[in-house]
Amino acid sequence: SQQGEEDPQALSIQEGENATMNCSYKTSINNLQWYRQNSGRGLVHLILIRSNEREKHSGRLRVTLDTSKKSSSLLITASRAADTASYFCATGPTGTASKLTFGTGTRLQVTL
Amino acid sequence: EAQVTQNPRYLITVTGKKLTVTCSQNMNHEYMSWYRQDPGLGLRQIYYSMNVEVTDKGDVPEGYKVSRKEKRNFPLILESPSPNQTSLYFCASSLFQGGTEAFFGQGTRLTVV
Repeated sequence: SQQGEEDPQALSIQEGENATMNCSYKTSINNLQWYRQNSGRGLVHLILIRSNEREKHSGRLRVTLDTSKKSSSLLITASRAADTASYFCATGPTGTASKLTFGTGTRLQVTL
Repeated sequence: EAQVTQNPRYLITVTGKKLTVTCSQNMNHEYMSWYRQDPGLGLRQIYYSMNVEVTDKGDVPEGYKVSRKEKRNFPLILESPSPNQTSLYFCASSLFQGGTEAFFGQGTRLTVV
């Protein structure tokens, strides 16, 4: 079952522009994570934001979390061609549940 | 270097021929899991293991088996592969159960003909 749903499904921007991706989820979470996947390769962890946090930064990445709306956004500033990839949000469970649940991803294309 | 290693990276096999995809991690992680990734469906968990000799079904376990005899290894076994198991498979590990950062292997692209 999918918890996170990313929006948009695909995004095409030019180098230097900002890219914003959104994630909505359905149930209570302990944390929300964002991952990047280059074509056909393994996922790479980008950032984790806990349910009691509202915003987090890591380099050119900015993540926000609104637990009242059950949504998160990932902002990549000053995008580069190397940022071309698929981006997934994943929700970390509360209680005794034991898995991350991934959305279907946003495919980002950054052109020169 | 901290890593999760899967083998093989690519595999073409025939229906019904048993196969094993190996997964090994060098981070002493307790939690390991297997996912399959299919277009439009995202990543779906097949099986997971919270520690040695402790495994449980994920969302799509039918047709798969796993074992966890050692902490570092978590092989995925397809006893009788079928074409609907053609997919991209990922092994992942994390320090504790699913709410922490997951480290992924490079993937195994399996084709069953």
